[in-house]
Amino acid sequence: GEDVEQSLFLSVREGDSSVINCTYTDSSSTYLYWYKQEPGAGLQLLTYIFSNMDMKQDQRLTVLLNKKDKHLSLRIADTQTGDSAIYFCAEFWMDSSYKLIFGSGTRLLVRP
Amino acid sequence: DTEVTQTPKHLVMGMTNKKSLKCEQHMGHRAMYWYKQKAKKPPELMFVYSYEKLSINESVPSRFSPECPNSSLLNLHLHALQPEDSALYLCASSPVGGGGEKLFFGSGTQLSVL
Repeated sequence: GEDVEQSLFLSVREGDSSVINCTYTDSSSTYLYWYKQEPGAGLQLLTYIFSNMDMKQDQRLTVLLNKKDKHLSLRIADTQTGDSAIYFCAEFWMDSSYKLIFGSGTRLLVRP
Repeated sequence: DTEVTQTPKHLVMGMTNKKSLKCEQHMGHRAMYWYKQKAKKPPELMFVYSYEKLSINESVPSRFSPECPNSSLLNLHLHALQPEDSALYLCASSPVGGGGEKLFFGSGTQLSVL
């Protein structure tokens, strides 16, 4: 089935690291994505990882993938107030449906 | 140009009105998507066009009618909507092929149905 789960809320202090977690359904040959959505705006693609990778780093962002547990995480180093937003993980199904399934979203609040 | 442009940004319509949402991209992408997002919820897929042909319709009511006139444009025609159709409508595009699609989203049209 299609089920991508995330925790709903995370609050961190400015300058600390943030870790946002996601669990996804088992599917072969999939890409996994992290999107950011600020209030009243569309979704911004932050980063993505292919399911045969364990880790990907892109500046302040680190994506970790645990295939055994079907667990994906996004670490934001030196979190800033501008990072406050909703973060969605998403799984791309490459079966006949060929579509992107979003998690429920994690609201990140960065306190000064 | 890495933008997906949606117009209008805001739309208020009555249940008897006919309106259209527009989406445009000039990245050469051959797949385009319509998503619907209710407040505090993730986006939900409505339609997918691939090479200007409708490839996925997620059982969307017929009061929503998509159209892809060419590879750069995507429209969503609205007729006889219900108040529960009020939502943020997001357009996205992606290149086709190569496995795994990076979707680029527009900023959306916030629709209110009275």
